Amino acid sequence: AQSVTQLDSQVPVFEEAPVELRCNYSSSVSVYLFWYVQYPNQGLQLLLKYLSGSTLVKGINGFEAEFNKSQTSFHLRKPSVHISDTAEYFCAVIPYNQGGKLIFGQGTELSVKP
Amino acid sequence: DADVTQTPRNRITKTGKRIMLECSQTKGHDRMYWYRQDPGLGLRLIYYSFDVKDINKGEISDGYSVSRQAQAKFSLSLESAIPNQTALYFCATSAYQGSGYTFGSGTRLTVV
Repeated sequence: AQSVTQLDSQVPVFEEAPVELRCNYSSSVSVYLFWYVQYPNQGLQLLLKYLSGSTLVKGINGFEAEFNKSQTSFHLRKPSVHISDTAEYFCAVIPYNQGGKLIFGQGTELSVKP
Repeated sequence: DADVTQTPRNRITKTGKRIMLECSQTKGHDRMYWYRQDPGLGLRLIYYSFDVKDINKGEISDGYSVSRQAQAKFSLSLESAIPNQTALYFCATSAYQGSGYTFGSGTRLTVV
């Protein structure tokens, strides 16, 4: 069975500081990797995805993530956060043999303080 | 109009009542999904459908049923609601296995 673990449930950070949200996964098959963001009282929005190719993926709003196959990780980073980045972030995978079902981590609440 | 529309946005219902959550999409995708979100648990898959005639149970389907009325419509029913079904429910659609999902805005359901 596949699983996704987000290593921090809450990450407080000051505005303009860098941030890293950590995600590890476990799977016996290859996976596609995703990060979603959920702003308060809204649905989920795709930030970025890794399907193949370059392991450094750039997404919207200045976020990027790096796929590390040996460590089965897909950490999300932003060099300088804004108050508007306050949201919940979800890491998710689609295993190659699962027909496209998205498996989510538990979520990380990013709180950006002035 | 939103790509994925869920109705209602909020609903309070009593234990034992039957309730239906509706979802429609304008993306033209065959694949549709229902998830529930609980604090600290992320999103968990209830049911999914890869086309109108293909409906499958997810990891937490007990107590739920679905109907795929058309390519664009996928409804979730709680036959007899119970308090631990209080949650935020999301419908989503996708084009193919490696594509990202497009989510609706969610339905917040409270069972009292």
